[in-house]
Amino acid sequence: EIVLTQSPATLSLSPGEGATLSCRASQSVSSYLAWYQQKPGQAPRLLIYDASNRATGIPARFSGSGSGTDFTLTISNLEPEDFAVYYCHQRSNWPRTFGQGTKVEIE
Amino acid sequence: EVQLLESGGGLVQPEGSLRLSCAASGFTFSSYVMSWVRQAPGKGLEWVSTIGSTGASTYYADSVKGRFTISRDNSKNTLFMHMNGLRAEDTAIFYCARSTSGYYDYWGQGTLVTVSS
Repeated sequence: EIVLTQSPATLSLSPGEGATLSCRASQSVSSYLAWYQQKPGQAPRLLIYDASNRATGIPARFSGSGSGTDFTLTISNLEPEDFAVYYCHQRSNWPRTFGQGTKVEIE
Repeated sequence: EVQLLESGGGLVQPEGSLRLSCAASGFTFSSYVMSWVRQAPGKGLEWVSTIGSTGASTYYADSVKGRFTISRDNSKNTLFMHMNGLRAEDTAIFYCARSTSGYYDYWGQGTLVTVSS
């Protein structure tokens, strides 16, 4: 099973600042990695797929990078609605796995 | 508009059974791989199971293999999860999700399964 480790667990920032979230895989997943955003009481929402492609309707302030085992989600100029939990997910191997999540909270 | 509406959750005793349903609309259901993902209270996301577009291929997490069965009825645009031998650790919100290229691009609102005596 591929283990995805996200860091940091919590990121405390202010609106307007930038956020950098990391996801490290226990073995290569090539570029088969996605990022999801989840707000309290809501289902997750797909943000980024194949490491760097924005999903439909996702603002340009969200960007993804990386390949192999190290991936980054960057959120530039945080908006109030961006404070949420973010999960990475790999679809390279079965079983599919998620990271444990990074919470982006208002400082 | 793509919509996924889960139902069938509830309170069940340990070792009990439950069947979840997910009614899909707004897309050609029979063309898509579908999945179930769950989230225990206050915890992260856990992939549970995936079924191919025709139902011929199925995949399960080790934690549910042999106890859960995923199925679909393409004539009724509905995804199912039959759950037997439920355990306390199965308590979670169960989401159905549409898979596109292996990623979950649309999610339902979830249905809560609580396993407790």
